Amino acid sequence: AQSVTQLDSHVSVSEGTPVLLRCNYSSSYSPSLFWYVQHPNKGLQLLLKYTSAATLVKGINGFEAEFKKSETSFHLTKPSAHMSDAAEYFCVVSAGNNRKLIWGLGTSLAVNP
Amino acid sequence: DSGVTQTPKHLITATGQRVTLRCSPRSGDLSVYWYQQSLDQGLQFLIQYYNGEERAKGNILERFSAQQFPDLHSELNLSSLELGDSALYFCASSVGVLSQKGDTQYFGPGTRLTVL
Repeated sequence: AQSVTQLDSHVSVSEGTPVLLRCNYSSSYSPSLFWYVQHPNKGLQLLLKYTSAATLVKGINGFEAEFKKSETSFHLTKPSAHMSDAAEYFCVVSAGNNRKLIWGLGTSLAVNP
Repeated sequence: DSGVTQTPKHLITATGQRVTLRCSPRSGDLSVYWYQQSLDQGLQFLIQYYNGEERAKGNILERFSAQQFPDLHSELNLSSLELGDSALYFCASSVGVLSQKGDTQYFGPGTRLTVL
């Protein structure tokens, strides 16, 4: 069975400091992994996705994520947080024969001035 | 802009009523998904259609139904509305049924439903 765990429900950082949002997954199959972002009162936007090409994936707005099979992790990082990064972030895994999407519960990122 | 459109943007109605939410997928996408997002339940997958046929069912209540039309747009019907149905309803689309690695969902802006 597939599952995804976002290890922190809330993360707070200061503007200009690094961001780390953690995601662990469980899958019997070779997964695809995604990060989505949702800004307040807005829809969901795809940040980046991993589909078995390069393990370091670069996304929009300076975010990137590294697929680590040995650690079953797909953590999202950004070197320097911006106020506009404050949002909800969702880690998603797609695996198995039907490639069903399994969503994490989300991590709320707050960026302090 | 994801290319997925949803109407209306906002909907306010009373308990017991029935509403219809509409979604147009991205050009070329055959799959449509419906999600409900509420404060206490988070993002919940409701149902998926592929090329007019129901493909997968999630936590969709019996009071809710959906369909996908020949032009691939989809409608989500919510009936006998209750206060707890107040939520943001998202539609997403994808090219296929996510069986191909890298096939992904693109989300619409959502419809905010308020039941008074």
